[in-house]
Amino acid sequence: DVKVTQSSRYLVKRTGEKVFLECVQDMDHENMFWYRQDPGLGLRLIYFSYDVKMKEKGDIPEGYSVSREKKERFSLILESASTNQTSMYLCASSSSGGTYGYTFGSGTRLTVV
Amino acid sequence: GENVEQHPSTLSVQEGDSAVIKCTYSDSASNYFPWYKQELGKRPQLIIDIRSNVGEKKDQRIAVTLNKTAKHFSLHITETQPEDSAVYFCAAGGTDKLIFGTGTRLQVFP
Repeated sequence: DVKVTQSSRYLVKRTGEKVFLECVQDMDHENMFWYRQDPGLGLRLIYFSYDVKMKEKGDIPEGYSVSREKKERFSLILESASTNQTSMYLCASSSSGGTYGYTFGSGTRLTVV
Repeated sequence: GENVEQHPSTLSVQEGDSAVIKCTYSDSASNYFPWYKQELGKRPQLIIDIRSNVGEKKDQRIAVTLNKTAKHFSLHITETQPEDSAVYFCAAGGTDKLIFGTGTRLQVFP
């Protein structure tokens, strides 16, 4: 019963390409998040959204943008992919109203060559 | 900015021993402290959480303690088993957003 789905498990893109990472949740959660996971650095917040068409910068937003046109879908966009964006990207969602645990997607391992 | 420090980065224990992972946080407004377990190649999964109005919470072999005054919280795993081997992340949050620690790789040797 997968509840947070990331469209790609593995992705290889060329430097300079525009990259879209898609995330869909079926739990009617208000909050959605994009993290990147790198060895020794843990999970770092890129962007998050509390509602449709709303977005907030996280700790490392540079080089990324997001789109949330529908409640269930949160897209991460790499405007011009660079090799330092090679990483594991994790999407998560949660209910609003006072800190509940996240449900994570399976992750997308992106390699930029 | 908000920060969560997690120690140790790696931890090796013998099966049956206990394991303790410690985290400190900087934002005094944090009131929710979950722990996630991530097995190799899998997504992080919530294993236990604690809120700021509680000092300790236990669920079978795992327990979490919270010291709000000192701004630190810990995960305790007793009677460790090989299937406990994974990366564990602590996190701290206030209004919906979580800040994660850098992770602890726990290895349990038979």
